[in-house]
Amino acid sequence: EAGVTQFPSHSVIEKGQTVTLRCDPISGHDNLYWYRRVMGKEIKFLLHFVKESKQDESGMPNNRFLAERTGGTYSTLKVQPAELEDSGVYFCASSQGQGTEQYFGPGTRLTVT
Amino acid sequence: QKEVEQNSGPLSVPEGAIASLNCTYSDRVSQSFFWYRQYSGKSPELIMSIYSNGDKEDGRFTAQLNKASQYVSLLIRDSQPSDSATYLCAVSGQGAQKLVFGQGTRLTINP
Repeated sequence: EAGVTQFPSHSVIEKGQTVTLRCDPISGHDNLYWYRRVMGKEIKFLLHFVKESKQDESGMPNNRFLAERTGGTYSTLKVQPAELEDSGVYFCASSQGQGTEQYFGPGTRLTVT
Repeated sequence: QKEVEQNSGPLSVPEGAIASLNCTYSDRVSQSFFWYRQYSGKSPELIMSIYSNGDKEDGRFTAQLNKASQYVSLLIRDSQPSDSATYLCAVSGQGAQKLVFGQGTRLTINP
């Protein structure tokens, strides 16, 4: 069974540019989560989809971040315009049921210069 | 006070010994508790989940949960150099599916 995949693995952009991160969850997992780890800090929750619906977006830092999950399959996280403080590693995770184990993807390392 | 606290380490343990990792959490209604292992530059890998008070064993790993003390621990028996990694404690609350992570404990197993 394929695990959670993320693309790209690494992105370097300039301040003010736009970046779109993609996550493909484990097949059959309705729950998809985005997390972020900035340098020196713990991993922080961004948002949670159940199928195509946003269940919890309490962790989204501001309106420069837009997450979508059209069709309830893969998800994208767009940052527009990117700021220096957006640099970090963005992880996607998926789970079969709510409250069950979450499996993480390899992450996308975003560097904003 | 952080929601989930771990000693950042580094924790150094000789090969073959027991490594003990600790985590405390502040939200009393927390329901689910997880330990993830993260090698440098890699993603968190789930190694243990525990939902009720007591011990849960899986191979060389034992998770221990004490909800009254708001404390969860991970024991690694017969530590191997390949166990050297950062161990992340994660907690989710009642009705909330998001995981709240501690900062992680860096463990080094010395041959």
